[in-house]
Amino acid sequence: GQNIDQPTEMTATEGAIVQINCTYQTSGFNGLFWYQQHAGEAPTFLSYNVLDGLEEKGRFSSFLSRSKGYSYLLLKELQMKDSASYLCAVRDYDNAGNMLTFGGGTRLMVKP
Amino acid sequence: GAVVSQHPSRVICKSGTSVKIECRSLDFQATTMFWYRQFPKQSLMLMATSNEGSKATYEQGVEKDKFLINHASLTLSTLTVTSAHPEDSSFYICSAREGRGIGNEQFFGPGTRLTVL
Repeated sequence: GQNIDQPTEMTATEGAIVQINCTYQTSGFNGLFWYQQHAGEAPTFLSYNVLDGLEEKGRFSSFLSRSKGYSYLLLKELQMKDSASYLCAVRDYDNAGNMLTFGGGTRLMVKP
Repeated sequence: GAVVSQHPSRVICKSGTSVKIECRSLDFQATTMFWYRQFPKQSLMLMATSNEGSKATYEQGVEKDKFLINHASLTLSTLTVTSAHPEDSSFYICSAREGRGIGNEQFFGPGTRLTVL
């Protein structure tokens, strides 16, 4: 199975930068996803990393280090609407269905 | 992008009744569909994985006789919560993937909030 750890809660200020970390342990790593989830809604896809390095997409960037079992999601120029839970999910090649396993999620609160 | 719908979005039922939730892939054929459950302030927990035309694979601790999953076509999977009880109240989310390839992304439905009185 997998162990996926991320902080439970974070608080940041509007306009600032915040980094949400995720560490994982898996036997057959096959990609790491970040999702955003607003309360009462389904997750929406933010990013996908399968190779080491930084993937940038607008205000959001995601970094992966496979050797360290580590990823982070970087949010720049924070806006109030970025207040949400951010879910780190790992896909394991060894699982028959190649499905995602989710971390506990990080609840981000953006304050004025 | 690919769209996955769920119906109903909200359902309130009495204890002991059965509730069916539908998950549809609208613009692609979903070879594999996944059902997740999410309790308040918790992350998504995978309940089962279903491949079209075959029986669902349930995660440990999920009762297959209580949560019936049918994936009879490439665009539709249903989850039936039988004899629902208040502890089954939760947010149920399906996701769908086109093909069995390792590069295929999962697309999530909007979720169904079940409240059992």
